[in-house]
Amino acid sequence: GQQVMQIPQYQHVQEGEDFTTYCNSSTTLSNIQWYKQRPGGHPVFLIQLVKSGEVKKQKRLTFQFGEAKKNSSLHITATQTTDVGTYFCAGRGGAGKSTFGDGTTLTVKP
Amino acid sequence: GAVVSQHPSRVICKSGTSVKIECRSLDFQATTMFWYRQFPKQSLMLMATSNEGSKATYEQGVEKDKFLINHASLTLSTLTVTSAHPEDSSFYICSAPPSGRMNEKLFFGSGTQLSVL
Repeated sequence: GQQVMQIPQYQHVQEGEDFTTYCNSSTTLSNIQWYKQRPGGHPVFLIQLVKSGEVKKQKRLTFQFGEAKKNSSLHITATQTTDVGTYFCAGRGGAGKSTFGDGTTLTVKP
Repeated sequence: GAVVSQHPSRVICKSGTSVKIECRSLDFQATTMFWYRQFPKQSLMLMATSNEGSKATYEQGVEKDKFLINHASLTLSTLTVTSAHPEDSSFYICSAPPSGRMNEKLFFGSGTQLSVL
């Protein structure tokens, strides 16, 4: 079945440093979504990427979808303490179901 | 944005009892809802897809007789953990696409932390 790998599992940064999490699928995806889950909270939708090579920005967050539609990344520029949480990618395959990556937990030291 | 309400947020029960978790879409009709299980510091594992007016679709390895799903209306899906045991202790969370389309973003409930003694 479809597998979605996400790395790194944990990332500790100093406030102001950049952060990137990577997502790789074993199969070609129809789309990929990114979610953020704060400690003790529930996942909140950030963005959806659909097109090959697509790049979208939300303020300090940049999302990319690979040309082969099998990988994606989320990059945060100049992290802030409000960025802490676990970031999940969710890849949707041909069967229509989304598979979540294992998540990357970001901690930011002030 | 769309709101999904999940209740209860936390439940502690004795081994052998059954626990019902409700997931409601407050401002949209949800023909489909998803139920997940999440262990501490781990990802969301899809358990089943709840379909209004029809049987739920369970993922491989999920016991349908253990985790009963009912989606009796367009705004309510319930997950009942029957004869709960300590190994069923986990964070259970539901989600729904507000438009009903499978490729739409998901709105999540706030989750239910189940602890079985």
